Amino acid sequence: DQQVKQNSPSLSVQEGRISILNCDYTNSMFDYFLWYKKYPAEGPTFLISISSIKDKNEDGRFTVFLNKSAKHLSLHIVPSQPGDSAVYFCAASASSNYKLTFGKGTLLTVNP
Amino acid sequence: DGGITQSPKYLFRKEGQNVTLSCEQNLNHDAMYWYRQDPGQGLRLIYYSQIVNDFQKGDIAEGYSVSREKKESFPLTVTSAQKNPTAFYLCASSMKGGNQPQHFGDGTRLSIL
Repeated sequence: DQQVKQNSPSLSVQEGRISILNCDYTNSMFDYFLWYKKYPAEGPTFLISISSIKDKNEDGRFTVFLNKSAKHLSLHIVPSQPGDSAVYFCAASASSNYKLTFGKGTLLTVNP
Repeated sequence: DGGITQSPKYLFRKEGQNVTLSCEQNLNHDAMYWYRQDPGQGLRLIYYSQIVNDFQKGDIAEGYSVSREKKESFPLTVTSAQKNPTAFYLCASSMKGGNQPQHFGDGTRLSIL
């Protein structure tokens, strides 16, 4: 049973445009959500997080939106750059424990 | 520089052998974690430890063992009981308490000869 789902295995955008990566979850106990970026043969790098008391969090070019009623979150990257090309993982946890549950990832390709 | 160091980067194991993957952090984090990643899959939790001398099984602990004798170190042993050990193994750490991001090392790729 996949509790965190990233339904798009891949996404391709043009440099300078917006990239929107989506994530859905099923566990109502999740109240903390994170996005990680991963290059091949490297560990994931933490990008941005959001707790369930907020519906938006912004850090530079990265913004995460949370829609609790829909159990949906998204990561917006504006403007997209070729260096953003990587696999992006969505993850979630319940504050009652330390465990993160990851989606399967979305491969973002930003074309020059 | 503060960070998480995993060694070695690549590891080969013969069938029937146990092998230990190293993970060291100098971030002064209380919690440490081991994940496994398979091609096209997300990260799956093997074991985690919130404090020294204590650890809990994750979702796929069978065939693995860990120890947490020091705050900085959380080695993972892949035993011969693990039927499909070929994977990319990632170690992470985080501060104590909920709602803390986990920070990852660069991983160890284990292959069976």
